[in-house]
Amino acid sequence: EPEVTQTPSHQVTQMGQEVILRCVPISNHLYFYWYRQILGQKVEFLVSFYNNEISEKSEIFDDQFSVERPDGSNFTLKIRSTKLEDSAMYFCASSSGTGLSPLHFGNGTRLTVT
Amino acid sequence: SQKIEQNSEALNIQEGKTATLTCNYTNYSPAYLQWYRQDPGRGPVFLLLIRENEKEKRKERLKVTFDTTLKQSLFHITASQPADSATYLCARSAGAGSYQLTFGKGTKLSVIP
Repeated sequence: EPEVTQTPSHQVTQMGQEVILRCVPISNHLYFYWYRQILGQKVEFLVSFYNNEISEKSEIFDDQFSVERPDGSNFTLKIRSTKLEDSAMYFCASSSGTGLSPLHFGNGTRLTVT
Repeated sequence: SQKIEQNSEALNIQEGKTATLTCNYTNYSPAYLQWYRQDPGRGPVFLLLIRENEKEKRKERLKVTFDTTLKQSLFHITASQPADSATYLCARSAGAGSYQLTFGKGTKLSVIP
């Protein structure tokens, strides 16, 4: 069964550094998402992306965050200047449609900011 | 804002019994609710979706109900097995015209052999 893949599985970075988290969504999906989960907390929406542009974003997704689909397969999340509170598990997801279409999640990148 | 609550953080149940997990929401009824399973260190995996106009949905040993009067969804696992042990997440659309999902904190189910 097709799956969403994310790299790296773990990323340790120093505060103030830039990180790029990478995702390969399921190939025929059109909608792409980033969610995050701070340890012990809820899964929280960050951003959705469709037709090469952001369709929705949450309050968490401030100017330090950006997303890109640089080619036909990758979907990336960049954090420009990481803060301690950015430490979390970041999940990429994709879906074939919106609303009634379920999300297919990757297994996440654990980001630790020191 | 549209909230979703899973009041039980943890549920322990004997193997073979039926597990029932509760999800409550606030404000208006969402068009649908989704249930996901999450294992430690892994991403959520979709299980079932139930629409507002559906009272009940089944898939193998899983059953979901949607009660718009109580503003509640129940998730049942019949004949539970130790392999069913995981955290189960309820999710709703964030609001009208939005396709982002708002997740509950989840209920950690432990099925004891």
